[in-house]
Amino acid sequence: EAQVTQNPRYLITVTGKKLTVTCSQNMNHEYMSWYRQDPGLGLRQIYYSMNVEVTDKGDVPEGYKVSRKEKRNFPLILESPSPNQTSLYFCASSSPTSVPPDTQYFGPGTRLTVL
Amino acid sequence: AQTVTQSQPEMSVQEAETVTLSCTYDTSESDYYLFWYKQPPSRQMILVIRQEAYKQQNATENRFSVNFQKAAKSFSLKISDSQLGDAAMYFCAYIPLDTGNQFYFGTGTSLTVIP
Repeated sequence: EAQVTQNPRYLITVTGKKLTVTCSQNMNHEYMSWYRQDPGLGLRQIYYSMNVEVTDKGDVPEGYKVSRKEKRNFPLILESPSPNQTSLYFCASSSPTSVPPDTQYFGPGTRLTVL
Repeated sequence: AQTVTQSQPEMSVQEAETVTLSCTYDTSESDYYLFWYKQPPSRQMILVIRQEAYKQQNATENRFSVNFQKAAKSFSLKISDSQLGDAAMYFCAYIPLDTGNQFYFGTGTSLTVIP
């Protein structure tokens, strides 16, 4: 089954404790992205990657890091989480050759709470 | 700057009736895609419908159709014969074709379906 998986689905942590949210897709998509969703703000792009070892900042990259060492994986790293990073996070992937092309396929979301 | 505006934070519709959700976008690009995504209470992001900017014909998917007005930069979603399962948050999204894979989302419209 074609899918994007994220782990963990729920996470409660404390300020300053480094964490990683994993994202993996099995569709051989070139493009992967991370978004955060906050009430009244919609989805905002944090980082995106156009292929292995190619990443770029989205609209709200501060406080986040990403890496793309393998095509299928795109982890989101919070080196020192703060309460304003409490949010719902989505990973997504897409490809110009997917059907339909350039359509984002989303993971199930990760609910992060930083105390 | 690319922006997507959904001016209706909340909408409601009687079951079996028709409702239209509005979306406008701001861009200087000529080639792009537009999307409507549905987010039910499960939080999963589900693609509803997709429109290529170069196509004049409005996209249709069963009970869902769009009214795409390129000159006006308007992309509204019409839901016919509304069903209880249509209750969800709906997001309009835009991607320019020549800037990688950076998606822009609106802030969402929460749709309630009244039995």
